[in-house]
Amino acid sequence: GAGVSQSPRYKVTKRGQDVALRCDPISGHVSLYWYRQALGQGPEFLTYFNYEAQQDKSGLPNDRFSAERPEGSISTLTIQRTEQRDSAMYRCASSYGTSWHEQYFGPGTRLTVT
Amino acid sequence: KQEVTQIPAALSVPEGENLVLNCSFTDSAIYNLQWFRQDPGKGLTSLLLIQSSQREQTSGRLNASLDKSSGRSTLYIAASQPGDSATYLCAGGSNTGNQFYFGTGTSLTVIP
Repeated sequence: GAGVSQSPRYKVTKRGQDVALRCDPISGHVSLYWYRQALGQGPEFLTYFNYEAQQDKSGLPNDRFSAERPEGSISTLTIQRTEQRDSAMYRCASSYGTSWHEQYFGPGTRLTVT
Repeated sequence: KQEVTQIPAALSVPEGENLVLNCSFTDSAIYNLQWFRQDPGKGLTSLLLIQSSQREQTSGRLNASLDKSSGRSTLYIAASQPGDSATYLCAGGSNTGNQFYFGTGTSLTVIP
């Protein structure tokens, strides 16, 4: 079956613009996670959802970052007033259960802020 | 905050060798642990998941173990092949939340 998909795969934006990154989890997966990965580092947790409820957003760097999953399926990570330091790979993962099932990752969105 | 260390950071071995990758957590209260493989410019591929009631998992030439008393995990790769060349990441979390902490990875090169 289809895996986790993310769009766009690449996004170049100018500083100060807002961007929206989309994640489409594996069908039937109730948990969805957002991570950010800098070059040469492991992914860093941002936030996660169980169904439509955002359970933990402690990893979001500041209030310019927000995420939603209104119908418990597709999720959008929004970054407002982008800054160059926001440039990174943004990864989404989903898992079947609400507590510690295997996480499956999408291909990521490479964000470059110029 | 949980810190995850992976040793070595890079490893180069001749084809056919057995090897061990190490992962350690500053907080040993690890509930679940997952090993991933990441190819250059690609996403993360799940290799093995050790759940709360388990101590190790095996898949083909891969074996992962978790010592919860020390917060250490090892990934054993038997009879390495050039196709095993990739970065290997470990990630784990506690039972107080679904936040997953990743190491910085071990870059493996298997020389034909």
